[in-house]
Amino acid sequence: GIQVEQSPPDLILQEGANSTLRCNFSDSVNNLQWFHQNPWGQLINLFYIPSGTKQNGRLSATTVATERYSLLYISSSQTTDSGVYFCAVEGTGRRALTFGSGTRLQVQP
Amino acid sequence: NAGVTQTPKFRVLKTGQSMTLLCAQDMNHEYMYWYRQDPGMGLRLIHYSVGEGTTAKGEVPDGYNVSRLKKQNFLLGLESAAPSQTSVYFCASRVARDGTDTQYFGPGTRLTVL
Repeated sequence: GIQVEQSPPDLILQEGANSTLRCNFSDSVNNLQWFHQNPWGQLINLFYIPSGTKQNGRLSATTVATERYSLLYISSSQTTDSGVYFCAVEGTGRRALTFGSGTRLQVQP
Repeated sequence: NAGVTQTPKFRVLKTGQSMTLLCAQDMNHEYMYWYRQDPGMGLRLIHYSVGEGTTAKGEVPDGYNVSRLKKQNFLLGLESAAPSQTSVYFCASRVARDGTDTQYFGPGTRLTVL
């Protein structure tokens, strides 16, 4: 099946700093989503971005499908950004997302 | 809208016991999923359903069964629980329309098997 690798596995930032999270995948995809899992375990969808660039407030994401990677940018980080960020992809012909192992982000005040 | 709800939130079982986890969604979504998340890891797909009356196996289906008799409900069963099934279980529903695709998760069920 399709492989999803996320980097870095862990990231510690000071409040106000910017960061870039990366997701590499092993095959063509028709669906890519980014999720945030907060410290209480709740998973929230951030972006649906199989290709191109999207922005939502301080967060933005870019997927270069031909090169099989996606980037999530967090600007001016806040302590509420802490948690785990997951990238999930769906290969052509599939009907379910495969998740990466996540990037654990800790934003310190 | 309650979104995606899961029952129960916590459960402790002894090895060999059985139980059913209930997932309900009120958004009329066709697709529903069951995942497990082990400490420090991502989510692994157990089973999924693309519509009422359908089910399919995911990455880690062994030891689990599912049923989707009603569109709004997706049940996950453990027939004979094992300590290796200690995990947090997440249910999700998904909608694809108007050029976008969004998966919504329930709050999770924390299961411990002794």
